[in-house]
Amino acid sequence: GAGVSQSPRYKVTKRGQDVALRCDPISGHVSLYWYRQALGQGPEFLTYFNYEAQQDKSGLPNDRFSAERPEGSISTLTIQRTEQRDSAMYRCASRDGTSGGNEQFFGPGTRLTVL
Amino acid sequence: RKEVEQDPGPFNVPEGATVAFNCTYSNSASQSFFWYRQDCRKEPKLLMSVYSSGNEDGRFTAQLNRASQYISLLIRDSKLSDSATYLCVVNKYGSARQLTFGSGTQLTVLP
Repeated sequence: GAGVSQSPRYKVTKRGQDVALRCDPISGHVSLYWYRQALGQGPEFLTYFNYEAQQDKSGLPNDRFSAERPEGSISTLTIQRTEQRDSAMYRCASRDGTSGGNEQFFGPGTRLTVL
Repeated sequence: RKEVEQDPGPFNVPEGATVAFNCTYSNSASQSFFWYRQDCRKEPKLLMSVYSSGNEDGRFTAQLNRASQYISLLIRDSKLSDSATYLCVVNKYGSARQLTFGSGTQLTVLP
C-alpha cells in the first residue's frame, strides 16, 4: 500500500515568508509525528498527534511553528516568518497504534531552504 | 550532553567484514530501543528493535545493557548493500511517544 507522503518535496522561500508543509500518513494510522533533520544529524522531534489531538508539542522551537491535524488524517506544519535557521529537512512519520503496530514509518521529507 | 550518543564514523570496511556500532543513552527511564537505517537522501527505516535479552535478525545482532545504558549493533559478513547511516533510537515514554535519535554512524562497505 501507499506509504507516508509529503508535499512539497522541496520548498525554497525568502526570509519572512510563511510556509505550510503537508503530510499524508498511511491510511488508518492513529499517530502522526513531525521531526526536523539537519544535515549529518538524526531526526529531532517536533510534535505529534493521536487522531486529531495534538498530544505533545514540546519539540516545536518557538511560537512561529504550529501544526494541525483537523480530521485526524492529513497534517500541516506551518512556519511563520521563516528565518534562515529554519532551513532543514522536515519529516513526517505515522504509526498504526492499533493491534500492537508500534513502528513509525517515515515519509520522504520536505527540504526547506530559507534564503 | 546529547540524550543519545553515537560514534559518527565513518566506518569503511571490506565486504565480508564484521563491524560493530555502539550507542549510549542518558535517560535511565528509557523504555524502548531501536536501530534505524537511513540510506543517502532517503527516509529512516526501522532495522530492528533491541530487546533486553539481545536479539538477532539474520546477519544483524542487537544488544542492550540497561545498567550501562549502552546499545550495540553487530553486522556480520558485511554486504555492499549494508552501506548506510545507522541511527540509534530511544523511546523515553513508551511506544506512543516521540523517538529520540542519535546522530548516526556512517558505514561504507567496500568491494
